[in-house]
Amino acid sequence: GQQLNQSPQSMFIQEGEDVSMNCTSSSIFNTWLWYKQDPGEGPVLLIALYKAGELTSNGRLTAQFGITRKDSFLNISASIPSDVGIYFCAGRRINTNAGKSTFGDGTTLTVKP
Amino acid sequence: SAVISQKPSRDICQRGTSLTIQCQVDSQVTMMFWYRQQPGQSLTLIATANQGSEATYESGFVIDKFPISRPNLTFSTLTVSNMSPEDSSIYLCSVEAASGRTGELFFGEGSRLTVL
Repeated sequence: GQQLNQSPQSMFIQEGEDVSMNCTSSSIFNTWLWYKQDPGEGPVLLIALYKAGELTSNGRLTAQFGITRKDSFLNISASIPSDVGIYFCAGRRINTNAGKSTFGDGTTLTVKP
Repeated sequence: SAVISQKPSRDICQRGTSLTIQCQVDSQVTMMFWYRQQPGQSLTLIATANQGSEATYESGFVIDKFPISRPNLTFSTLTVSNMSPEDSSIYLCSVEAASGRTGELFFGEGSRLTVL
């Protein structure tokens, strides 16, 4: 089946540093989504991207839909302790329902105060 | 946005027993999705629950092991049957955002099951 390669697997950073993570695939996706999961909670949508090349921001978060449609990145600027959690990318192909999105394996972010 | 409530939030179960997880959404939705998240892993779709018809299961998941009910447009249950320690996971209920923001999923807080 389709696979998303998400990297890095984990990050340990100092508060205030910027963070970058990305997802790549051998397949084309029509939608890229980034979710964050806090401990004991379900994932929460951060950013959704619908067009190749699209660059979207949500506060300190910026994500881009790669031109080839096979990749996406998420940047977090000036990290704070509450950024701690697991970040998942997800890709969705056209004519599939949202539940069939393919999820990356996640990037676990630790922020040291 | 959709508010999704799951019960139980966590449980410890004995091998061989079954447990039913409930999912309640605050709005009517056509499809509800059930995921499994094994420890330290990503999300894997178990099945799609449609109101008025049988659930559609993904490869590797069968109705006898994970029976699903969908009695109305706001509620669904997932049963994990004849549990073994390998079933220890977080089970998540999810729905798609309303039309216009297709592809975006809302998740419940998850039900963390530990099977002894």
